[in-house]
Amino acid sequence: KAGVTQTPRYLIKTRGQQVTLSCSPISGHRSVSWYQQTPGQGLQFLFEYFSETQRNKGNFPGRFSGRQFSNSRSEMNVSTLELGDSALYLCASSFSPSINDEQYFGPGTRLTVT
Amino acid sequence: TQLLEQSPQFLSIQEGENLTVYCNSSSVFSSLQWYRQEPGEGPVLLVTVVTGGEVKKLKRLTFQFGDARKDSSLHITAAQPGDTGLYLCAGLFGNEKLTFGTGTRLTIIP
Repeated sequence: KAGVTQTPRYLIKTRGQQVTLSCSPISGHRSVSWYQQTPGQGLQFLFEYFSETQRNKGNFPGRFSGRQFSNSRSEMNVSTLELGDSALYLCASSFSPSINDEQYFGPGTRLTVT
Repeated sequence: TQLLEQSPQFLSIQEGENLTVYCNSSSVFSSLQWYRQEPGEGPVLLVTVVTGGEVKKLKRLTFQFGDARKDSSLHITAAQPGDTGLYLCAGLFGNEKLTFGTGTRLTIIP
């Protein structure tokens, strides 16, 4: 079956703009998590959605937001972009939020803020 | 915020050699996972360990969970170029979401 897909794969934005990233989970998966990966900070948890509800949120400012649709697809939005937001944004899906359910990561969206 | 430190940060060895990478924390894990990430892709789960002292083997990879569940190691025997990648440990503390380690970037030279 198809894996996790993320669009777009690459994005260049200017400081102050906003951006929306999209994630389509594996068919049948209802839990979606978002992570930010940078060389300096590594892989950091942003938020997790299950059945259209945010279950967990990481330590990121309110400029970072997300949502999940009834078909489990998810989007994340970053407003008022800063240079430090340049990163690889990874989405992961699993059948449920349980730690016993393996997370499958997408290839990521590489965001560059200039 | 729990921190997971991995060492070494970078490792470059010849094909056929053995290596060990480490993952350490000052806090106790509920469970710990190891992932491998290749360029242009997301991390892929290799193993989950949940019991202190647990050892799991995956072909040439051996994963060990410390008795106190604060540390873990990954040993690769007879490394091959296909083992090249970023190795990440990720710990679950209580009911919180996974916390990822700083990563070990491994390069196997043919």
